[in-house]
Amino acid sequence: KQEVTQIPAALSVPEGENLVLNCSFTDSAIYNLQWFRQDPGKGLTSLLLIQSSQREQTSGRLNASLDKSSGRSTLYIAASQPGDSATYLCAVRQEETSGSRLTFGEGTQLTVNP
Amino acid sequence: DAGVIQSPRHEVTEMGQEVTLRCKPISGHDYLFWYRQTMMRGLELLIYFNNNVPIDDSGMPEDRFSAKMPNASFSTLKIQPSEPRDSAVYFCASSRYSSNNEQFFGPGTRLTVL
Repeated sequence: KQEVTQIPAALSVPEGENLVLNCSFTDSAIYNLQWFRQDPGKGLTSLLLIQSSQREQTSGRLNASLDKSSGRSTLYIAASQPGDSATYLCAVRQEETSGSRLTFGEGTQLTVNP
Repeated sequence: DAGVIQSPRHEVTEMGQEVTLRCKPISGHDYLFWYRQTMMRGLELLIYFNNNVPIDDSGMPEDRFSAKMPNASFSTLKIQPSEPRDSAVYFCASSRYSSNNEQFFGPGTRLTVL
């Protein structure tokens, strides 16, 4: 059974700092990995999706990397801003002949202080 | 597109009552997912549909929970009878069959069972 772990559970940084969020998964036979952002009381917003054949994806100040063989992904946020404060979740999709089941981590709660 | 639409946004009910949650996926998406989020268990997949057919309902906690998708633009998640431990945020998500199957989430329904 796939298990996804995110470290740290919470992170507080001053504005402008570069930071890294970590995600690890136990079963490396994944199809892709997706990073989401969740604001308090809101739904999930998809940030980046990395296919298993890819090493990284970039969107603006965000960069996600994937090392499938070691079961790890990182989300790098450059020049953090107070508006980046949210919970960040990673989720993996298994290689399956059919289906699109996502397994989520517990999330990292990020606070960027002005 | 308006994104995934869920209703109601908030529901407060008493134990033993029937609860029906509704979801309208993004037009053209052929996968629909129901998730539950709690502090204790994080995000859990309850059930998902492909082309209106339930594919995997192994996450449905018990027989009190049922889900239907009568057509491509509508799905319901029903709890009967509801219990206090069902209190959670229920999310609906949809995706299009493609090489990445990126999932898009609705805003969620916050359910409180007294």
